[in-house]
Amino acid sequence: DGGITQSPKYLFRKEGQNVTLSCEQNLNHDAMYWYRQDPGQGLRLIYYSQIVNDFQKGDIAEGYSVSREKKESFPLTVTSAQKNPTAFYLCASSYRGTVSYNEQFFGPGTRLTVL
Amino acid sequence: QQQVKQSPQSLIVQKGGIPIINCAYENTAFDYFPWYQQFPGKGPALLIAIRPDVSEKKEGRFTISFNKSAKQFSLHIMDSQPGDSATYFCAASLGIYNQGGKLIFGQGTELSVKP
Repeated sequence: DGGITQSPKYLFRKEGQNVTLSCEQNLNHDAMYWYRQDPGQGLRLIYYSQIVNDFQKGDIAEGYSVSREKKESFPLTVTSAQKNPTAFYLCASSYRGTVSYNEQFFGPGTRLTVL
Repeated sequence: QQQVKQSPQSLIVQKGGIPIINCAYENTAFDYFPWYQQFPGKGPALLIAIRPDVSEKKEGRFTISFNKSAKQFSLHIMDSQPGDSATYFCAASLGIYNQGGKLIFGQGTELSVKP
């Protein structure tokens, strides 16, 4: 059963803690993305990776870090430097192919709440 | 320049009606325009997408109309059903060679279809 999985579904963080959100895909997609969604707003790009061992900052990367050691996995760490981390976090992936655009498919999301 | 403006913020229609959601953009370099459907607590699901060389695309009950000169595109849902009640997002991309094909999202439209 192919798809994108994210865990955990809900995550609670205390002030000053780092937490790591998991994203795994078995679609053999090359590119992976992390977006953040706040209530009543669209999604904003945090980080993206087009190949293994390479990743780039998106529009709101401050306070976040990522790694891409395997094609299937792209974990996101929310560090204590992120001042307002409460949000819905969405991972996406896409196949690069030979066209200039890419269809992005999203996982089910992780809701992070700071206590 | 990189914004996508979506309207209306919310929309209520009767079953069988044709809700229309509009999006406008400024950057003529956008070359891919997808629409996503999101149910509460779930990740967005790709619904339909269009390239700027096409003025209309239909998939089932969903139609995208694209007006390149006006820099606008819209989603029409034919014969809407209560199960279509969800939040709809338009998005735009500058292509995979620009920030890995990141999607720039509109603010979303909350659609409610009354029985």
